[in-house]
Amino acid sequence: RKEVEQDPGPFNVPEGATVAFNCTYSNSASQSFFWYRQDCRKEPKLLMSVYSSGNEDGRFTAQLNRASQYISLLIRDSKLSDSATYLCVVNTGNNNDMRFGAGTRLTVKP
Amino acid sequence: ETGVTQSPTHLIKTRGQQVTLRCSSQSGHNTVSWYQQALGQGPQFIFQYYREEENGRGNFPPRFSGLQFPNYSSELNVNALELDDSALYLCASSRGTQETQYFGPGTRLLVL
Repeated sequence: RKEVEQDPGPFNVPEGATVAFNCTYSNSASQSFFWYRQDCRKEPKLLMSVYSSGNEDGRFTAQLNRASQYISLLIRDSKLSDSATYLCVVNTGNNNDMRFGAGTRLTVKP
Repeated sequence: ETGVTQSPTHLIKTRGQQVTLRCSSQSGHNTVSWYQQALGQGPQFIFQYYREEENGRGNFPPRFSGLQFPNYSSELNVNALELDDSALYLCASSRGTQETQYFGPGTRLLVL
């Protein structure tokens, strides 16, 4: 089993749609969690950290369920510019190792 | 932009050669982490440098080595290149070993 697993997609949605991505992780000792976005042939960029109580940044909402070892990202009112690959990232706290999922690809269409 | 720079942007090498990739961290950051990203995959952790010492390593062979300098810039060295080493190599800098990481634009390495 991979340490961080994501649905690879692709997700193809119309503008204005709401879309949710899920991510599971295997190491119960994991300490911090992030969502990054990566545009084609570019570097990953931090989208948001994920806190235990859940957190929201504009149209983006991230949630963490430690008991189920599950992270989610919800995007409301999708824009064309949201088209990218979304990477789930888990810091296990061991060896300063940030574990990335393989990413979920989103395409928002007009 | 993150302020993290990498050089070169692209590189072509042949099997068996050696390569050095460079990374300049963001001002105020003392930690640099290196990742390998194969096509269609997420980045894989190679190692991390904190205050000029290796501070964690992923599952990569010893022919992947690194350095960090007093100004916190870093190098990644790969010896005896193999075809499977073809990938995007990313460095990320952070204020500390457990802090949020900010990525540079990467170096695309092709091994022929």
